[in-house]
Amino acid sequence: AQRVTQPEKLLSVFKGAPVELKCNYSYSGSPELFWYVQYSRQRLQLLLRHISRESIKGFTADLNKGETSFHLKKPFAQEEDSAMYYCALSVLTDSWGKLQFGAGTQVVVTP
Amino acid sequence: KAGVTQTPRYLIKTRGQQVTLSCSPISGHRSVSWYQQTPGQGLQFLFEYFSETQRNKGNFPGRFSGRQFSNSRSEMNVSTLELGDSALYLCASIEPNTGELFFGEGSRLTVL
Repeated sequence: AQRVTQPEKLLSVFKGAPVELKCNYSYSGSPELFWYVQYSRQRLQLLLRHISRESIKGFTADLNKGETSFHLKKPFAQEEDSAMYYCALSVLTDSWGKLQFGAGTQVVVTP
Repeated sequence: KAGVTQTPRYLIKTRGQQVTLSCSPISGHRSVSWYQQTPGQGLQFLFEYFSETQRNKGNFPGRFSGRQFSNSRSEMNVSTLELGDSALYLCASIEPNTGELFFGEGSRLTVL
């Protein structure tokens, strides 16, 4: 069965410092990977997905199939980046609704 | 465009009772997924519906069931409630062209 691991429960960084959230997955096929984010008092929302290869709010994530990782990075953290981040995996190409989520990483950016 | 609407937002039940939660997806979205979120288990997939048909089901007991109506609105039902069913139940509406999930605010169920 597929699995998503986010090893850090909490990541505390200073404003302007780089931030990297780790995500590793286990799946033998070709997964589709996402990062979802939940800001305080807001709904869970999509941040980015690996197939779009976009940079959203300064965040990027590269799928490394050799290391089965999909780490999320931002070179300069901002206070508004404080949120809960979830890495998620989809294995069914005809069904986007079934996601396997990681446990989440709480990011706190301090001034 | 209105977002995903879930009702009720909060509810308290006692063990053995049953509960029905409702989800109205974004207009034009025909797929809906349900997730259970707890501090211990995180976000876990319950089921997915498309055009009134259950497309996928997660590893939950038969006490958890759902359905979807012709207008794409969905309901989930939990029968014979247990203390461990206390959770935030999230519904997500799926954008048909991109597969992006749009989540509701959730229904927080407390079982006493």
